[in-house]
Amino acid sequence: GAVVSQHPSWVICKSGTSVKIECRSLDFQATTMFWYRQFPKQSLMLMATSNEGSKATYEQGVEKDKFLINHASLTLSTLTVTSAHPEDSSFYICSVSYGGARGGSDTQYFGPGTRLTVL
Amino acid sequence: EDQVTQSPEALRLQEGESSSLNCSYTVSGLRGLFWYRQDPGKGPEFLFTLYSAGEEKEKERLKATLTKKESFLHITAPKPEDSATYLCAVGGNKLVFGAGTILRVKS
Repeated sequence: GAVVSQHPSWVICKSGTSVKIECRSLDFQATTMFWYRQFPKQSLMLMATSNEGSKATYEQGVEKDKFLINHASLTLSTLTVTSAHPEDSSFYICSVSYGGARGGSDTQYFGPGTRLTVL
Repeated sequence: EDQVTQSPEALRLQEGESSSLNCSYTVSGLRGLFWYRQDPGKGPEFLFTLYSAGEEKEKERLKATLTKKESFLHITAPKPEDSATYLCAVGGNKLVFGAGTILRVKS
């Protein structure tokens, strides 16, 4: 499988500030990374698909100007939450896709997540 | 639209008491069904990928099976360390997750 790291593991910020979260693929070059958000006691919701060297693809209802994604290299994708507000408080998780078999989807391997709290 | 439904929402077992978790799905062209384990405050940990009906995979006390409409995660003689949320997802261009089953195993 693939090993994914995220930094920071948790962050607390004031309302109106911006926060950057890093996602790194540690053991292979990932052309595609995914960003998810998970609210308490809920499942993962895909926010966007990050493609190296091109613009991210955002899911319906996700504000691209608020959640800026940069996939500048094959091992690093960043998510910046701009002008954060308390409703943006959530658990943000990234993943990389790796090793699909028999024409099927690649398996996604997830990072440890980043807990964002906006005061 | 792809949909995934997991049941039960929560399951309490005694140590050693075997059981099964269910994942029902509707998808236009299954390209993989994925099982993950998630511990509180952590990202999902990959368990299994199943691609076709009839396929089975095992890892320690866990066994995943797949039919054309559903998948089961069988847990044999569970231990307290198996306590976690188990997530099922179907794959296409993107993963669609179920709500998960919260498993608690008491010693």
